[in-house]
Amino acid sequence: EAGVAQSPRYKIIEKRQSVAFWCNPISGHATLYWYQQILGQGPKLLIQFQNNGVVDDSQLPKDRFSAERLKGVDSTLKIQPAKLEDSAVYLCASSLEYEQFFGPGTRLTVL
Amino acid sequence: AQSVSQHNHHVILSEAASLELGCNYSYGGTVNLFWYVQYPGQHLQLLLKYFSGDPLVKGIKGFEAEFIKSKFSFNLRKPSVQWSDTAEYFCALRAGAGNMLTFGGGTRLMVKP
Repeated sequence: EAGVAQSPRYKIIEKRQSVAFWCNPISGHATLYWYQQILGQGPKLLIQFQNNGVVDDSQLPKDRFSAERLKGVDSTLKIQPAKLEDSAVYLCASSLEYEQFFGPGTRLTVL
Repeated sequence: AQSVSQHNHHVILSEAASLELGCNYSYGGTVNLFWYVQYPGQHLQLLLKYFSGDPLVKGIKGFEAEFIKSKFSFNLRKPSVQWSDTAEYFCALRAGAGNMLTFGGGTRLMVKP
């Protein structure tokens, strides 16, 4: 069974630039999550989708972050404009029921 | 709001030593608890989970954890660690409606051969 795919794996940008991350969940998983993991901390949920609807985006900084999940499969997370404090690993996860399966993450460095 | 605390940030052990990593949570209702592991260069993967029933749960690779409701704890244990257990370990909590996980800050374990 293929796992959760994410791209790119690494991204370096300058502050005020924009960036987008892509996630392809495990086939058949209705629920998709985006987490932010800052160095030295545990992952923090940014947004949760059920199919193509948003379940929880209470911790998403909506002034600069946006996410979509068209057709209930792939998802993209965008940051525009990026700030220095956005440097982190962005993890995508998917689940069928309660167990979440994580992708390898995208490491973002904002200079 | 719920929270998870992992008090040990870094742990260094020699092979064959016993391991116990602490995890405490804050939430007044029913919880589901998880331990995830991240080996160097790999993605997060589930080690074990507690939903209900026997508070002592066994996971992969000889790990186990005990849910003690009165102490709001879910400590991870292994009787004898191996060098290959070197990794970062995260405790996580699922509480209330939905499937949102709240993670602790993680414990970085290094096992010396």
